[in-house]
Parts: sequence; C-alpha cells; structure tokens
Amino acid sequence: QKEVEQNSGPLSVPEGAIASLNCTYSDRGSQSFFWYRQYSGKSPELIMFIYSNGDKEDGRFTAQLNKASQYVSLLIRDSQPSDSATYLCAVSVSYQKVTFGTGTKLQVIP
Amino acid sequence: GAVVSQHPSRVICKSGTSVKIECRSLDFQATTMFWYRQFPKQSLMLMATSNEGSKATYEQGVEKDKFLINHASLTLSTLTVTSAHPEDSSFYICSARLSGGNEKLFFGSGTQLSVL
Repeated sequence: QKEVEQNSGPLSVPEGAIASLNCTYSDRGSQSFFWYRQYSGKSPELIMFIYSNGDKEDGRFTAQLNKASQYVSLLIRDSQPSDSATYLCAVSVSYQKVTFGTGTKLQVIP
Repeated sequence: GAVVSQHPSRVICKSGTSVKIECRSLDFQATTMFWYRQFPKQSLMLMATSNEGSKATYEQGVEKDKFLINHASLTLSTLTVTSAHPEDSSFYICSARLSGGNEKLFFGSGTQLSVL
C-alpha cells in the first residue's frame, strides 16, 4: 500500500464548477497535510495546509481533513482554466519527512 | 511566502561530467533543506535531507557518493551529480523549511538535467 494515494486523473470539470480532489494516507500518526499545485515543467507551489480535523477555507480553496478515515480533500470553487494543473497531496508524519502522493491532474474546461 | 532560489534551471551535459545545483533560501534561514527528484508524470521522490553543518541523510537506494550534498550555511545547499549518466536525467527540486518548527516546505524552481 502506498503511503499517500491519489487518483491520477485527469479530472475534468467545466469552468465555474467545483473541483473535488481526494487523497488517502496510510500512517495514522500523520500530523500535517498539505496541498501543492504543480504546473507542467514547474516546481510545486503550496496552496493549502491543514492540521486539524474539519474544514479550512482560503479564498476559493477548502481543505477537508478526516483523520479517522485517513482522508484529506481539496475543493476548488468556481474553477478557472488557470487552475488546470497537477495537485499533489503531501503528508508529514514527523518533522523531518514529508511524503507526496503521485498527484491528480485537473483540467478545467472553458 | 518564503522564497527559495534554485540554479541553474536547465542543464545539458555530456555523460561522465559533474553538475552542481545550488539552492538558496533568500529571505529566511533554513537549517534543513530537502532534495527531490521527479521523473515525467511521476511524483516527487525524496533523495536526501540536507542539514546545515552536518552530513546529509540519504533515502534508501540513493547513492551518497554519486549525489554529493553540501549545506555549508543556513541559506545555501548544493547538490552535485557526479559522473552523470543518461539515467540521471530528471527534474531536480530543492525545498527548504522555515526554522522554528514550521513544517511547510517552500520549493525552488527546479533544475531540468539532461545527460547526453
């Protein structure tokens, strides 16, 4: 079982819709959870982080964490073509190590 | 957010040569930096953790004699790919963590290495 799992996609949504990206992780001791956006040929950019169960909102982005289910998600409201990218879920068990999922490719169709 | 600068952005070299990649934290001090490698359509794979003033910690399967890491100051870490071969061609990305317990990683812009 992979430590951090994501559906590779592509996930296609029409412009203006809500995009829902999901991630599961295997280590129950995981403490910190991150979402990064990566455009093709570029390095990842941190867009959200969450430490506690529940929802965290920042602009059009909402991160959701359910530690009991070992599940973290990212919602993007009012999706724009510029949101088209690969979204990486990252999980930190200890201070020293962050493990990345393989990423979900999002395509926002104009 | 914190700024991490990585140079060069692209390197094309002949097989057998060595390539040095620099990673600098511009507006903060980073006691710990991380080096990742990413092959096309794959996720980031941690290669090593670079600690200022001490030896780097390498992940299983990463040859420490081939990928030399030096973290001589709180703002600079370097990765040297020694005797590069075509299979070393990849996207190398450094990241840094703010000192003081913050787990958020900030990434450099990456280096695309192509070994002919």
